[in-house]
Amino acid sequence: SYVLTQPPSVSVAPGKTATITCGGNNIGTKSVYWYQQKPGQAPVLVIYYDNDRPSGIPERFSGSNSGNTATLTISRVEAGDEADYYCQVWDSSFAVFGTGTKVTVL
Amino acid sequence: QVQLQESGPGLVKPSQTLSLTCTVSGGSISSVSYFWSWIRQPAGKGLEWIGRIYTSGSTDYSLSLRGRVTISLDMSKNQISLNLSSVTAADTAVYYCARSSVIITSFDYWGHGILVTVSS
Repeated sequence: SYVLTQPPSVSVAPGKTATITCGGNNIGTKSVYWYQQKPGQAPVLVIYYDNDRPSGIPERFSGSNSGNTATLTISRVEAGDEADYYCQVWDSSFAVFGTGTKVTVL
Repeated sequence: QVQLQESGPGLVKPSQTLSLTCTVSGGSISSVSYFWSWIRQPAGKGLEWIGRIYTSGSTDYSLSLRGRVTISLDMSKNQISLNLSSVTAADTAVYYCARSSVIITSFDYWGHGILVTVSS
């Protein structure tokens, strides 16, 4: 089965840039989705189709996808960005989630 | 605005069947534009996709749960159901229902989730 690997944690100072990677075999050939999950809440879609943002998601959130790695970038990080982030792809008819990354704002 | 609401028992005994319902408001589950999925998350752990159903009744299930899971639709009540048989403590988790479109296949709407504990 398809596996997506993320770093367990990323720490970033306010105003700086957070980069979260999602590794998978030839992930660049798939569409990648990113979700933000705050404690006690359901996940929220922040990026779809590698680098598109749903309405209401700040431009500070961006994504890229090539080769074996997809990346979520959060620019000008704010305290409210502290959360768990998950990447997700479809492997044929099966949804696969990444292992998740906890972003801590210092 | 589409809303999804999970409901069902919060406690299930080992070896029994976990049964949950997701009630959709603000939209119809009979729409040809969407799939309806169940996703779960054990405490402190990541998200696990369980399976999905289309308005036609066609289903796809996680390989790790296939054989124990059934997802179905009740059009009259605008509900999606999940049955997971022969549960163990490993099935203890928050269970979410979520919608994905056939075009942009991300999960764009989620329920709040329901905690189900498997314990005697």
